[in-house]
Amino acid sequence: AQSVTQLGSHVSVSEGALVLLRCNYSSSVPPYLFWYVQYPNQGLQLLLKYTSAATLVKGINGFEAEFKKSETSFHLTKPSAHMSDAAEYFCAVNPKRAGSQGNLIFGKGTKLSVKP
Amino acid sequence: KAGVTQTPRYLIKTRGQQVTLSCSPISGHRSVSWYQQTPGQGLQFLFEYFSETQRNKGNFPGRFSGRQFSNSRSEMNVSTLELGDSALYLCASSFGLAGRNEQFFGPGTRLTVL
Repeated sequence: AQSVTQLGSHVSVSEGALVLLRCNYSSSVPPYLFWYVQYPNQGLQLLLKYTSAATLVKGINGFEAEFKKSETSFHLTKPSAHMSDAAEYFCAVNPKRAGSQGNLIFGKGTKLSVKP
Repeated sequence: KAGVTQTPRYLIKTRGQQVTLSCSPISGHRSVSWYQQTPGQGLQFLFEYFSETQRNKGNFPGRFSGRQFSNSRSEMNVSTLELGDSALYLCASSFGLAGRNEQFFGPGTRLTVL
């Protein structure tokens, strides 16, 4: 079965420091990969997506992620954290199997705290 | 362009009752997917509707059902509510079948079952 693993349920960084949120997937073929952010009492907002084009994907709010097939990883990074980045981040995969369109499989999420 | 809207935003029910949640997708979007979010299980896919047809279904009991109307608005229904159904229910819409297409999420309906 397809799965997504996010290492670290909580990550804390200082304002201005590097943000690194880890995501590993299990899939027999490279899937479509997504990072979403959720602010309190809100729905999910797409940060970026990988759909078999460039392996380094740039998203909104200064975030980017690199698809590494050999490591089955899709880690999310931002060079300099801002207080407004504090939220919960979800990595998701669409396995691209027939009949699986729409079936996003989410990781458990990583709560990012940003210290002043 | 208005985003995905969900009504109601909050709902309190008691065990055994049934509930209907509503989702209005972004104008022009034909796919609507539903997800359940709980602290224990995280985000889990319920089902996807496209052009009034259920295209994909997650691993939930038959108490969970949905439908989509000709204007793409969707409803989901949960019958015989259980305490474990307490969750945030998220609706997402996309222009085509979800997958490589971006899904836009609504703010969710928080259901509490007492």
